[in-house]
Amino acid sequence: TQLLEQSPQFLSIQEGENLTVYCNSSSVFSSLQWYRQEPGEGPVLLVTVVTGGEVKKLKRLTFQFGDARKDSSLHITAAQPGDTGLYLCAGARDYKLSFGAGTTVTVRA
Amino acid sequence: EAGVTQFPSHSVIEKGQTVTLRCDPISGHDNLYWYRRVMGKEIKFLLHFVKESKQDESGMPNNRFLAERTGGTYSTLKVQPAELEDSGVYFCASSQDWLGGRSRTDTQYFGPGTRLTVL
Repeated sequence: TQLLEQSPQFLSIQEGENLTVYCNSSSVFSSLQWYRQEPGEGPVLLVTVVTGGEVKKLKRLTFQFGDARKDSSLHITAAQPGDTGLYLCAGARDYKLSFGAGTTVTVRA
Repeated sequence: EAGVTQFPSHSVIEKGQTVTLRCDPISGHDNLYWYRRVMGKEIKFLLHFVKESKQDESGMPNNRFLAERTGGTYSTLKVQPAELEDSGVYFCASSQDWLGGRSRTDTQYFGPGTRLTVL
């Protein structure tokens, strides 16, 4: 049973459009982390959200942690081809991470 | 500062053989983790070292897997004997301080992974 459900699995959009990736769980996490992974590389941390209801912005990326600390979303505004990649959410509990299956985002020029 | 390194990057072995994966964490990091992603599945936790001690090995699949971290520096993960279902990408990660669970924002830095194929 997967602890974190990530959706959608694939997302293909045109440059300039917006997109949102969702990460949902029935479990509470001490923090939730978003990673981006390129082919042949390991996941690279984008952001960590800790407090329920927290919103963090990283340029055109907006991350939100649900009030109950069970779910999160990643919103990209005006996506660019450079945003193409695999986005992973991971919930932290007792120092170990539980990952979602990932969302493959393709931004077409 | 060098990141987490893993060796080899790829390994192809036959069923029944032994393979040893190595991870060098970021210098000074107390915590070292092993994770695995098998085809079509999410990345899953295998185990966690704090320095040279195993803090949590609840994710290890079975006793064919043996992880060590002698001296609290690099770690090895040995699979003996390897089975077909062991194929996947094995990631190592490290993080800085062991605060006894008090930190909620401990950043884990991942290595590039070792792709293991068992034929």
